[in-house]
Amino acid sequence: ETGVTQSPTHLIKTRGQQVTLRCSSQSGHNTVSWYQQALGQGPQFIFQYYREEKNGRGNFPPRFSGLQFPNYSSELNVNALELDDSALYLCASSLHPGSYEQYFGPGTRLTVT
Amino acid sequence: DQQVKQNSPSLSVQEGRISILNCDYTNSMFDYFLWYKKYPAEGPTFLISISSIKDKNEDGRFTVFLNKSAKHLSLHIVPSQPGDSAVYFCAAGDGNQFYFGTGTSLTVIP
Repeated sequence: ETGVTQSPTHLIKTRGQQVTLRCSSQSGHNTVSWYQQALGQGPQFIFQYYREEKNGRGNFPPRFSGLQFPNYSSELNVNALELDDSALYLCASSLHPGSYEQYFGPGTRLTVT
Repeated sequence: DQQVKQNSPSLSVQEGRISILNCDYTNSMFDYFLWYKKYPAEGPTFLISISSIKDKNEDGRFTVFLNKSAKHLSLHIVPSQPGDSAVYFCAAGDGNQFYFGTGTSLTVIP
């Protein structure tokens, strides 16, 4: 059974640029959630995708967008990067939206300079 | 506004003793509560959960207690082992969205 994987591991971008982060969900999981974890904080919910449709969204601006593909892998896109976007971005997959057990990937560390 | 709070950033415990990690929440509509453990350079790992219809859930050395009237939950680890040293996050939600605390770093001293 393959766990949740994320790429890239680390990324450095300049303010104003755009970034795409990728996530492969655990085998058999059709739901993917994205979280932002700033330094010293807990993960904050960005949004969730279920079978290629957005299933919920946290309090993040529209420049945070996402996609889920037919194989249930997912992308997080952030436009017009700001310094405060520097954080660890975590992807978590689950069997279905109502499943409370989420399996997290190792995250992508994004640094915006 | 922080809906889930872990007021102790760190905790040190001797091996073999009990570790108690605490968590408070503000939203009485939350009906499911989770604890995650996180090692450096890894994503959080699900540890144990409890629904609002229960006040205790046990899994081996780990027990979670829920006090709905106080909006408080705690994680007990007995006996604590050096491998338990990690950051522990509590999370609370209604199934659609989970809110995480800021974490407590547990160090178990051999």
